[in-house]
Amino acid sequence: ILNVEQSPQSLHVQEGDSTNFTCSFPSSNFYALHWYRWETAKSPEALFVMTLNGDEKKKGRISATLNTKEGYSYLYIKGSQPEDSATYLCAFGGYQKVTFGTGTKLQVIP
Amino acid sequence: DTEVTQTPKHLVMGMTNKKSLKCEQHMGHRAMYWYKQKAKKPPELMFVYSYEKLSINESVPSRFSPECPNSSLLNLHLHALQPEDSALYLCASSQDFAGYQPQHFGDGTRLSIL
Repeated sequence: ILNVEQSPQSLHVQEGDSTNFTCSFPSSNFYALHWYRWETAKSPEALFVMTLNGDEKKKGRISATLNTKEGYSYLYIKGSQPEDSATYLCAFGGYQKVTFGTGTKLQVIP
Repeated sequence: DTEVTQTPKHLVMGMTNKKSLKCEQHMGHRAMYWYKQKAKKPPELMFVYSYEKLSINESVPSRFSPECPNSSLLNLHLHALQPEDSALYLCASSQDFAGYQPQHFGDGTRLSIL
């Protein structure tokens, strides 16, 4: 069984604060690390797919880093806004299958 | 608007009923997926179709029967379900069946078994 763990499970931040969360995954048989944002009553939306050790991706105020040797990825949100409230899922991409973590639920308080 | 369309959005059925979930995408993706998601758990892979052929069945009970009539459509036929099958069923697609391909999800079907 593949273990993809995310921490924290949930997080409340004030509007304007910056925050980050962690995804840890096995370092063997690695092909990619995915991040998805899942807003309530909507479909999960792909944010980033990273494949190389040291990869950094950015989309607006959201960025992510990847360390495949030690098996972790960080997602950063700069200046959180209420619209950032969502569950953030990471997923380990093996040769073909993708295994999801349990997610970090972010609530941004106006 | 999501590019993967799932119908119905909600479904309530008895344990003896037969129903089907439908999923459609027109992005030209060759891989399509069914996931089951229970509250506070991650989506769990059920089935993968690649080029309209079943590539993965994650030991799903036979009361769930997938079907891929063509490259744009994916169905999940349900028969004699149990109360523990109540969950959100998500459909997804990707360009190809590969772990580095981002997946595009539908909004899901919320299934309740009475």
